[in-house]
Amino acid sequence: SQKIEQNSEALNIQEGKTATLTCNYTNYSPAYLQWYRQDPGRGPVFLLLIRENEKEKRKERLKVTFDTTLKQSLFHITASQPADSATYLCALAWGTGRRALTFGSGTRLQVQP
Amino acid sequence: DARVTQTPRHKVTEMGQEVTMRCQPILGHNTVFWYRQTMMQGLELLAYFRNRAPLDDSGMPKDRFSAEMPDATLATLKIQPSEPRDSAVYFCASGLVVARVSYEQYFGPGTRLTVT
Repeated sequence: SQKIEQNSEALNIQEGKTATLTCNYTNYSPAYLQWYRQDPGRGPVFLLLIRENEKEKRKERLKVTFDTTLKQSLFHITASQPADSATYLCALAWGTGRRALTFGSGTRLQVQP
Repeated sequence: DARVTQTPRHKVTEMGQEVTMRCQPILGHNTVFWYRQTMMQGLELLAYFRNRAPLDDSGMPKDRFSAEMPDATLATLKIQPSEPRDSAVYFCASGLVVARVSYEQYFGPGTRLTVT
């Protein structure tokens, strides 16, 4: 069956370090993958999109990689700040027309000052 | 600053009652999505519309849930009758589909539903 796995345990890091979050998937052939941030009591907010033919995408302190052979995406936040503390969700677009998104369960990141 | 709005933000109701949730998508977006989020299941897609036409509602319990888009500025999700297991946060999101490719989705603040 199709599955998207994110580390369900919270990731705790020190301010200034690089946070690396993992998204693994099985039995999908995604056209593209997205990363969202969700704060408590709020809806997810789009961060980055990476297509199947792209290896890496950057936006300010954020970097996403996409390895379709390993079926894995890595999400990096460099020079992390306490304000980066949130839950990060990966989502895959797949299926006919590639319109639907399926979300992983998310990884909670806590950046300690 | 365009954003998706949802009403109500919170709803507490008794089992068996009808619940209607409303969503105003961002003007110009041609696709609207309804999701449900729980601790156990995470974020699940219930249904989505493109240009107001329902494209997929396979994630929705058909016997009690219904979703409609009476016009381009309003999407509704109705539960009748509601059950305690429907307790969750319901999110509406809107986005653009261009050349059959869907890009980022913009989420509303959600409706927190509690069914007692």
